[in-house]
Amino acid sequence: DVKVTQSSRYLVKRTGEKVFLECVQDMDHENMFWYRQDPGLGLRLIYFSYDVKMKEKGDIPEGYSVSREKKERFSLILESASTNQTSMYLCASSLFMNTEAFFGQGTRLTVV
Amino acid sequence: QKEVEQNSGPLSVPEGAIASLNCTYSDRGSQSFFWYRQYSGKSPELIMSIYSNGDKEDGRFTAQLNKASQYVSLLIRDSQPSDSATYLCAVNARNTPLVFGKGTRLSVIA
Repeated sequence: DVKVTQSSRYLVKRTGEKVFLECVQDMDHENMFWYRQDPGLGLRLIYFSYDVKMKEKGDIPEGYSVSREKKERFSLILESASTNQTSMYLCASSLFMNTEAFFGQGTRLTVV
Repeated sequence: QKEVEQNSGPLSVPEGAIASLNCTYSDRGSQSFFWYRQYSGKSPELIMSIYSNGDKEDGRFTAQLNKASQYVSLLIRDSQPSDSATYLCAVNARNTPLVFGKGTRLSVIA
């Protein structure tokens, strides 16, 4: 079974902090994704990566950056956390871009 | 802007009935279609994928795809209370990430 693991299930951070969300997949997938999910807005793509050190902006990249130094690991960075970044963050991976994506368990981030 | 539209619901069906969930998409170049189930507070889990026109059955689930009408649906037969969840439709074209609908909330009443 594909396993995508996110480093934290719940996080509480203060406004202005730099926040790191980590994601690891164990299936040698080429592609990894970061989404956020908010009530009424659905899943929105923040960033994705199709190869090591490669990254592409999604629909809502502002206030975020990413890092993919190894194939299995994709990190999301909130440079200076703000309250409007309080959300559920979901990492996913897929073998090819047009195949199914598998999700991690999610990180519920609260910025106070 | 690629769009995937779903009725937000809630869709309420009695236990044992057929639940029918619908999804339309805007990009005619879309090639892959997926249904995910998401329980409250949990992450989405894949339940069906479909790539060509027609029906695809897996246990109590049937996915239906009509590319000409840009329409994909999910039927759940013999609905159970444990099927109560939000169902997400996801679509992608070649070499682009999945685009998700906002989901339909299904409630199966015992």
